[in-house]
Amino acid sequence: QKEVEQDPGPLSVPEGAIVSLNCTYSNSAFQYFMWYRQYSRKGPELLMYTYSSGNKEDGRFTAQVDKSSKYISLFIRDSQPSDSATYLCAMKGTSYGKLTFGQGTILTVHP
Amino acid sequence: ETGVTQTPRHLVMGMTNKKSLKCEQHLGHNAMYWYKQSAKKPLELMFVYSLEERVENNSVPSRFSPECPNSSHLFLHLHTLQPEDSALYLCASSQVLGPPYSNQPQHFGDGTRLSIL
Repeated sequence: QKEVEQDPGPLSVPEGAIVSLNCTYSNSAFQYFMWYRQYSRKGPELLMYTYSSGNKEDGRFTAQVDKSSKYISLFIRDSQPSDSATYLCAMKGTSYGKLTFGQGTILTVHP
Repeated sequence: ETGVTQTPRHLVMGMTNKKSLKCEQHLGHNAMYWYKQSAKKPLELMFVYSLEERVENNSVPSRFSPECPNSSHLFLHLHTLQPEDSALYLCASSQVLGPPYSNQPQHFGDGTRLSIL
């Protein structure tokens, strides 16, 4: 079993839709959770960084962590074609620990 | 501009060649990383240089050899590669604080796309 599971998609939505991206994990020691966005031919770019459970909002993006279910989500409101990218979840157990990544979900937002 | 610059962006090499990938970070960070990104697989950590130590993933073959001459520069020396080594190689950097030690989020370069003939 992979430590982090992420549906690779692809996911295609119309402009303006609410997008929900998810990861599940098996290691209960994970406490730090990140979402990265990776455009084609570019490196991953940090979008959201959260610690432990709860929600964090930044503009159109909301990150949600449910440690009891070992489930994290990224919501994108009012999605735009410029949001089309691969979204990677990543997590670690301690602040100094190794990052474990999901496979990434390919998202396309069409006009 | 990501603050982490990787060269070359693309590299095609034969299995018997020797080449090096270069990474330079302009963020003042003190830790640097090499990752391998293959299609349909999660990012795989290859090497870490942090707190003047090198930590490596034991599954990385010896045909990959890292070098970190200072906190701003990182190299990955390649020799006698195999076709399955074709992938995107990403460099990242981060700031380690402390003690007690904590690690800020990693910032990535745009990668070197490596193709082995």
